[in-house]
Amino acid sequence: EVQLVESGGAVVQPGGSLRLSCVASGFTFEDYTMHWVRQAPGKGLQWVSLINWNGRTTYYADSVKGRFTISRDDSKNSLYLQMSSLRTEDTALYYCARETAHLVLEDWGQGTLVTVSS
Amino acid sequence: DIQMTQSPSSLSASVGDRVTITCRTSRGIANFLAWFQQIPGKVPKLLISAASTLQSGVPSRFSGSGSGTDFTLTISSLQPEDAATYYCQKYNSAPHTFGQGTKVEIK
Repeated sequence: EVQLVESGGAVVQPGGSLRLSCVASGFTFEDYTMHWVRQAPGKGLQWVSLINWNGRTTYYADSVKGRFTISRDDSKNSLYLQMSSLRTEDTALYYCARETAHLVLEDWGQGTLVTVSS
Repeated sequence: DIQMTQSPSSLSASVGDRVTITCRTSRGIANFLAWFQQIPGKVPKLLISAASTLQSGVPSRFSGSGSGTDFTLTISSLQPEDAATYYCQKYNSAPHTFGQGTKVEIK
Protein backbone atom coordinates (compact mmCIF):
# COMPACT_ATOMS: atom_id res chain seq x y z
CA GLU A 1 0.00 0.00 0.00
CA VAL A 2 1.34 3.40 -1.02
CA GLN A 3 1.74 5.79 1.90
CA LEU A 4 2.88 9.39 1.88
CA VAL A 5 3.28 11.10 5.24
CA GLU A 6 4.03 14.81 5.38
CA SER A 7 5.46 16.65 8.36
CA GLY A 8 7.11 19.90 9.27
CA GLY A 9 4.15 22.23 9.12
CA ALA A 10 4.12 24.97 11.75
CA VAL A 11 3.21 28.55 12.52
CA VAL A 12 5.94 30.84 11.22
CA GLN A 13 6.32 34.60 10.96
CA PRO A 14 6.36 36.39 7.61
CA GLY A 15 9.86 36.32 6.18
CA GLY A 16 10.65 33.10 7.98
CA SER A 17 11.70 29.70 6.73
CA LEU A 18 10.41 26.16 7.08
CA ARG A 19 11.25 22.74 5.67
CA LEU A 20 8.52 20.26 4.91
CA SER A 21 9.17 16.53 4.62
CA CYS A 22 7.27 13.69 3.03
CA VAL A 23 8.22 10.10 3.80
CA ALA A 24 7.11 7.54 1.24
CA SER A 25 6.50 3.82 1.57
CA GLY A 26 4.88 1.02 -0.36
CA PHE A 27 6.66 1.71 -3.65
CA THR A 28 10.15 2.18 -5.07
CA PHE A 29 10.52 5.88 -4.30
CA GLU A 30 13.56 6.46 -6.53
CA ASP A 31 11.56 5.53 -9.64
CA TYR A 32 8.93 8.26 -9.33
CA THR A 33 8.50 11.95 -9.97
CA MET A 34 7.07 13.68 -6.90
CA HIS A 35 5.01 16.84 -6.47
CA TRP A 36 3.94 19.34 -3.84
CA VAL A 37 0.41 20.76 -4.06
CA ARG A 38 -1.07 23.22 -1.60
CA GLN A 39 -4.53 24.37 -0.58
CA ALA A 40 -5.16 27.61 1.27
CA PRO A 41 -7.99 27.47 3.82
CA GLY A 42 -11.31 27.36 1.99
CA LYS A 43 -9.61 27.71 -1.39
CA GLY A 44 -8.77 25.51 -4.36
CA LEU A 45 -5.82 23.31 -5.15
CA GLN A 46 -2.61 25.00 -6.27
CA TRP A 47 0.25 23.08 -7.84
CA VAL A 48 3.56 24.12 -6.25
CA SER A 49 6.51 22.11 -7.52
CA LEU A 50 7.79 18.83 -8.92
CA ILE A 51 11.07 16.93 -8.92
CA ASN A 52 11.71 14.17 -11.40
CA TRP A 53 12.78 10.66 -10.50
CA ASN A 54 16.53 11.32 -10.55
CA GLY A 55 16.34 14.75 -8.95
CA ARG A 56 17.89 16.50 -11.92
CA THR A 57 14.77 18.31 -13.09
CA THR A 58 12.65 20.59 -10.97
CA TYR A 59 9.82 22.98 -11.72
CA TYR A 60 8.04 25.59 -9.63
CA ALA A 61 4.90 27.66 -9.74
CA ASP A 62 5.70 31.31 -10.43
CA SER A 63 4.30 32.24 -7.01
CA VAL A 64 7.05 30.30 -5.20
CA LYS A 65 9.93 30.44 -7.67
CA GLY A 66 13.10 31.71 -6.04
CA ARG A 67 11.71 31.17 -2.54
CA PHE A 68 10.98 27.42 -2.40
CA THR A 69 13.33 24.55 -3.19
CA ILE A 70 12.21 20.98 -3.78
CA SER A 71 14.62 18.12 -3.16
CA ARG A 72 14.68 14.41 -2.47
CA ASP A 73 16.77 11.87 -0.61
CA ASP A 74 16.15 8.48 -2.13
CA SER A 75 18.18 6.76 0.62
CA LYS A 76 15.54 7.98 3.08
CA ASN A 77 12.53 7.64 0.75
CA SER A 78 11.94 11.30 1.44
CA LEU A 79 10.78 14.39 -0.42
CA TYR A 80 11.41 17.89 0.91
CA LEU A 81 10.22 21.43 0.36
CA GLN A 82 12.48 24.14 1.72
CA MET A 83 10.43 27.29 2.06
CA SER A 84 11.98 30.70 2.68
CA SER A 85 10.85 34.34 2.63
CA LEU A 86 7.44 33.07 3.62
CA ARG A 87 4.41 35.29 3.04
CA THR A 88 0.96 35.26 4.56
CA GLU A 89 -0.37 33.99 1.23
CA ASP A 90 1.74 30.83 1.63
CA THR A 91 -0.59 29.74 4.43
CA ALA A 92 -2.00 26.42 3.28
CA LEU A 93 -2.23 22.69 3.72
CA TYR A 94 0.71 21.25 1.80
CA TYR A 95 0.29 17.84 0.16
CA CYS A 96 2.94 15.66 -1.37
CA ALA A 97 1.79 13.50 -4.24
CA ARG A 98 3.20 10.73 -6.41
CA GLU A 99 3.12 10.98 -10.18
CA THR A 100 2.59 7.54 -11.64
CA ALA A 101 3.56 6.10 -15.00
CA HIS A 102 0.38 7.63 -16.38
CA LEU A 103 1.84 11.06 -15.46
CA VAL A 104 -1.01 11.84 -13.05
CA LEU A 105 -1.13 12.34 -9.30
CA GLU A 106 -2.66 9.07 -8.17
CA ASP A 107 -1.46 9.06 -4.57
CA TRP A 108 -1.59 11.87 -2.03
CA GLY A 109 -0.56 12.33 1.58
CA GLN A 110 -2.84 13.78 4.22
CA GLY A 111 -1.05 17.12 4.17
CA THR A 112 0.81 19.30 6.65
CA LEU A 113 -0.43 22.75 7.65
CA VAL A 114 1.74 25.81 7.26
CA THR A 115 0.51 29.04 8.81
CA VAL A 116 2.37 32.26 8.11
CA SER A 117 1.31 34.88 10.61
CA SER A 118 2.79 37.49 12.90
CA ASP B 1 1.79 29.67 -19.10
CA ILE B 2 -1.44 27.96 -20.13
CA GLN B 3 -4.52 29.32 -18.37
CA MET B 4 -7.25 27.04 -17.07
CA THR B 5 -10.89 28.10 -16.96
CA GLN B 6 -13.27 25.78 -15.14
CA SER B 7 -17.01 26.37 -15.04
CA PRO B 8 -19.34 26.70 -13.35
CA SER B 9 -17.75 27.61 -10.01
CA SER B 10 -20.67 25.97 -8.24
CA LEU B 11 -23.90 24.20 -9.02
CA SER B 12 -26.81 22.69 -7.19
CA ALA B 13 -28.60 19.68 -8.62
CA SER B 14 -30.99 16.96 -7.54
CA VAL B 15 -30.28 13.30 -7.07
CA GLY B 16 -30.52 11.61 -10.44
CA ASP B 17 -29.70 14.73 -12.44
CA ARG B 18 -27.08 14.80 -15.17
CA VAL B 19 -24.28 17.21 -14.24
CA THR B 20 -21.66 18.65 -16.58
CA ILE B 21 -18.52 20.55 -15.63
CA THR B 22 -16.26 22.10 -18.23
CA CYS B 23 -12.58 22.94 -18.28
CA ARG B 24 -11.00 25.04 -20.97
CA THR B 25 -7.30 25.66 -21.55
CA SER B 26 -5.81 28.67 -23.29
CA ARG B 27 -3.68 26.44 -25.53
CA GLY B 28 -4.04 22.87 -26.63
CA ILE B 29 -2.88 20.15 -24.27
CA ALA B 30 -3.91 17.10 -26.32
CA ASN B 31 -5.53 14.78 -23.76
CA PHE B 32 -3.21 15.56 -20.82
CA LEU B 33 -6.05 16.42 -18.48
CA ALA B 34 -7.09 14.86 -15.18
CA TRP B 35 -10.18 15.29 -13.01
CA PHE B 36 -10.11 15.12 -9.21
CA GLN B 37 -12.86 14.93 -6.62
CA GLN B 38 -12.37 16.45 -3.18
CA ILE B 39 -14.95 15.72 -0.53
CA PRO B 40 -14.85 18.30 2.30
CA GLY B 41 -12.10 17.49 4.79
CA LYS B 42 -10.65 14.77 2.57
CA VAL B 43 -7.66 14.35 0.30
CA PRO B 44 -8.20 14.89 -3.44
CA LYS B 45 -9.03 11.71 -5.31
CA LEU B 46 -8.12 11.07 -8.93
CA LEU B 47 -11.23 10.23 -10.97
CA ILE B 48 -10.14 10.46 -14.59
CA SER B 49 -6.82 10.65 -16.41
CA ALA B 50 -5.98 11.24 -20.06
CA ALA B 51 -9.22 13.23 -20.34
CA SER B 52 -11.43 10.15 -20.46
CA THR B 53 -9.83 7.17 -18.70
CA LEU B 54 -11.80 6.25 -15.60
CA GLN B 55 -9.66 5.21 -12.67
CA SER B 56 -10.20 1.80 -11.16
CA GLY B 57 -12.99 1.79 -8.60
CA VAL B 58 -14.59 5.03 -9.79
CA PRO B 59 -18.32 4.61 -10.48
CA SER B 60 -19.26 4.43 -14.14
CA ARG B 61 -21.64 7.37 -13.77
CA PHE B 62 -18.52 9.53 -14.03
CA SER B 63 -17.13 10.15 -17.50
CA GLY B 64 -14.74 12.54 -19.14
CA SER B 65 -14.36 13.76 -22.68
CA GLY B 66 -12.50 16.28 -24.75
CA SER B 67 -9.16 16.96 -26.33
CA GLY B 68 -7.13 19.99 -27.22
CA THR B 69 -8.60 22.91 -25.29
CA ASP B 70 -12.09 21.84 -24.25
CA PHE B 71 -12.87 19.14 -21.72
CA THR B 72 -15.93 17.92 -19.87
CA LEU B 73 -16.61 15.92 -16.73
CA THR B 74 -20.09 14.41 -16.65
CA ILE B 75 -21.92 12.74 -13.81
CA SER B 76 -24.74 10.89 -15.52
CA SER B 77 -26.95 10.42 -12.46
CA LEU B 78 -25.95 12.49 -9.45
CA GLN B 79 -25.80 10.66 -6.13
CA PRO B 80 -25.68 12.10 -2.60
CA GLU B 81 -22.09 10.94 -2.14
CA ASP B 82 -21.04 13.04 -5.15
CA ALA B 83 -21.34 16.26 -3.14
CA ALA B 84 -17.79 17.55 -3.46
CA THR B 85 -15.56 20.00 -5.26
CA TYR B 86 -14.20 18.87 -8.60
CA TYR B 87 -10.94 20.08 -10.13
CA CYS B 88 -9.38 19.67 -13.54
CA GLN B 89 -5.58 19.65 -13.89
CA LYS B 90 -3.35 19.87 -16.93
CA TYR B 91 -0.23 17.77 -16.96
CA ASN B 92 1.22 18.07 -20.46
CA SER B 93 4.05 20.20 -19.09
CA ALA B 94 4.91 22.26 -16.03
CA PRO B 95 3.28 24.12 -14.43
CA HIS B 96 0.68 21.43 -13.74
CA THR B 97 -2.06 23.97 -13.14
CA PHE B 98 -5.41 23.15 -11.55
CA GLY B 99 -8.71 24.67 -12.52
CA GLN B 100 -10.47 26.88 -9.99
CA GLY B 101 -12.81 24.10 -8.90
CA THR B 102 -16.54 23.41 -9.15
CA LYS B 103 -18.50 22.87 -5.97
CA VAL B 104 -21.35 20.44 -6.49
CA GLU B 105 -24.18 20.57 -4.00
CA ILE B 106 -27.18 18.27 -3.72
CA LYS B 107 -30.59 19.98 -3.62
